[in-house]
Amino acid sequence: ETGVTQSPTHLIKTRGQQVTLRCSSQSGHNTVSWYQQALGQGPQFIFQYYREEENGRGNFPPRFSGLQFPNYSSELNVNALELDDSALYLCASSSRDIPAQETQYFGPGTRLLVL
Amino acid sequence: AQSVTQLDSQVPVFEEAPVELRCNYSSSVSVYLFWYVQYPNQGLQLLLKYLSGSTLVESINGFEAEFNKSQTSFHLRKPSVHISDTAEYFCAVSPHNTDKLIFGTGTRLQVFP
Repeated sequence: ETGVTQSPTHLIKTRGQQVTLRCSSQSGHNTVSWYQQALGQGPQFIFQYYREEENGRGNFPPRFSGLQFPNYSSELNVNALELDDSALYLCASSSRDIPAQETQYFGPGTRLLVL
Repeated sequence: AQSVTQLDSQVPVFEEAPVELRCNYSSSVSVYLFWYVQYPNQGLQLLLKYLSGSTLVESINGFEAEFNKSQTSFHLRKPSVHISDTAEYFCAVSPHNTDKLIFGTGTRLQVFP
């Protein structure tokens, strides 16, 4: 069973640029959630995708957007990067089709630095 | 709305000593409860979870947590820690009607020899 993978592992961008982060969900999972973890903080929920549709969003501006593909992999896109977007971006996969709260399994994260 | 409070940002302890990491939460709806561990430069790993049933839950590496509904707490304990337990520990809740996780700010457990 393949775990959750994310790419790239590290990324450096400048203010105003755009970035795309990628996540491959664990085998058998159809739900992907994205979190932002700033230095010294707990992860903050950005949004979740279930079967290619957005299924819940946290308190993040519209320049944070996402996609989920038919194979349940996902992308997080951030436009007009700001310095405060520097953080570890975590992807988590789960399966909503099992009738109980499903555990979210996290990838290793992508560390984004905005200069 | 939900919130999670981890009162201790850092907990230093000597090897083989007991430890308790505190977690309190606030929610107007029923929630599931989780503890995740994050080792340096890694993602989050699930340590244990409470969904229903027995209020005492255990992990495979000796940690346990007890759900206390009246005190809205989910403290994490281990009777004897190892150097390898040094990591950041996050408490999280998830409302029953969503899959969203709300995390605390984390507690850094530092185990000294």
